[in-house]
Amino acid sequence: EIVLTQSPGTLSLSPGERATLSCRASQRVDSNYLAWYQQKPGQAPSLLIYRASIRATGIPDRFSGSGSGTDFTLTISRLQPEDFAVYYCQQYSSLPRTFGQGTKVEI
Amino acid sequence: QVQLQESGPGLVKPSQTLSLTCTVSGGSLSGDDYYWSWIRQHPGRGLEWIGYIYYSGSISYNPSLKSRLTISVDTSTNQFSLKLSSVTAADTAVYYCVSGGYYFDDWGQGTLVTVSS
Repeated sequence: EIVLTQSPGTLSLSPGERATLSCRASQRVDSNYLAWYQQKPGQAPSLLIYRASIRATGIPDRFSGSGSGTDFTLTISRLQPEDFAVYYCQQYSSLPRTFGQGTKVEI
Repeated sequence: QVQLQESGPGLVKPSQTLSLTCTVSGGSLSGDDYYWSWIRQHPGRGLEWIGYIYYSGSISYNPSLKSRLTISVDTSTNQFSLKLSSVTAADTAVYYCVSGGYYFDDWGQGTLVTVSS
């Protein structure tokens, strides 16, 4: 099973700042099969990024993903008030599918 | 984009079987490349993939739950289902039905299932 470790656990930033979230895998994620999700309180997660860097439909370009192998990054270039949420990475390179423990981006 | 809606009891007694159904609308459950998954989230915690089913019946389960788990699909009603047997308090969680078996495109709103006597 691939274990995903996200850091930091919490990121305290202000609107307009840049957020950099990390996701490290315990073994290589083949074909960059890594996704990112955003979850707001009381809501289901929603897909932001797949294949490490491809934005899902309707996702603004301030969200970008990068990385390969075992190290991946989600960057939010200029935080908007609606971006304060919890972010999860998830690998689909192998079974079982696994998620990181999440990074909370707070004001 | 499809819409998914979970349904089932919100309270299950320990040792009993948790049963949930997901109704898919806005698309066919038997469409191309359509996998259908269940994911759960323990209160205040992260996400755990439970398993997926392909419309033809091909299945993959999380090994941590495999011995207690059954996922099935009914293409005639555009629904898929989850059964988790011998539940304990550790199975208390919000359960989501989701489209996709690789990454997860569309999510139901989630349903809280509490295991308690």
